[in-house]
Amino acid sequence: EDQVTQSPEALRLQEGESSSLNCSYTVSGLRGLFWYRQDPGKGPEFLFTLYSAGEEKEKERLKATLTKKESFLHITAPKPEDSATYLCAVFSGYSTLTFGKGTMLLVSP
Amino acid sequence: EAQVTQNPRYLITVTGKKLTVTCSQNMNHEYMSWYRQDPGLGLRQIYYSMNVEVTDKGDVPEGYKVSRKEKRNFPLILESPSPNQTSLYFCASWTGSETQYFGPGTRLLVL
Repeated sequence: EDQVTQSPEALRLQEGESSSLNCSYTVSGLRGLFWYRQDPGKGPEFLFTLYSAGEEKEKERLKATLTKKESFLHITAPKPEDSATYLCAVFSGYSTLTFGKGTMLLVSP
Repeated sequence: EAQVTQNPRYLITVTGKKLTVTCSQNMNHEYMSWYRQDPGLGLRQIYYSMNVEVTDKGDVPEGYKVSRKEKRNFPLILESPSPNQTSLYFCASWTGSETQYFGPGTRLLVL
């Protein structure tokens, strides 16, 4: 059974204070790892897909990396508009995604 | 514009009164899924479909039914809703290899 654990559950940062979110996974045959952003009451919004260990992807202040056991979402110099819940999910090829419970990020001005 | 639509967005009902939440996508995706999201439990898959007339159970299928008669539509049916089905529901569609596209959500309250 695929498992995804995200940490921390919640993170409070000051504007400009860089940090990282963690996603640890156990999956039999990873075919893809996804990062999403979710604002309260809205559907998850796609950020990145990573397919193999060593892969990195960037978008504005966000950078996602992948190892064989975990993925990190690095946030550089965050702004208040980066406040959201960040979700990680894995795809092992059985037509379903398994999601972690998310990290709630709050960036204060 | 590529999108997944859900209706209704908000629904208050009473125990036992059958209801249907519709989901439609315009991207010609083969795969569609239904999730529920509850505080502290995250997103949990209810049912998914790999194509027309092909559906399978996810992690929490009890009390729900689905059908896939057309590629673009994937309705979620609650035949006899109960208060423990009060939740935020999301429909999603995808190609099976890239990201899933999520709908805006349906907030359901069962009294």
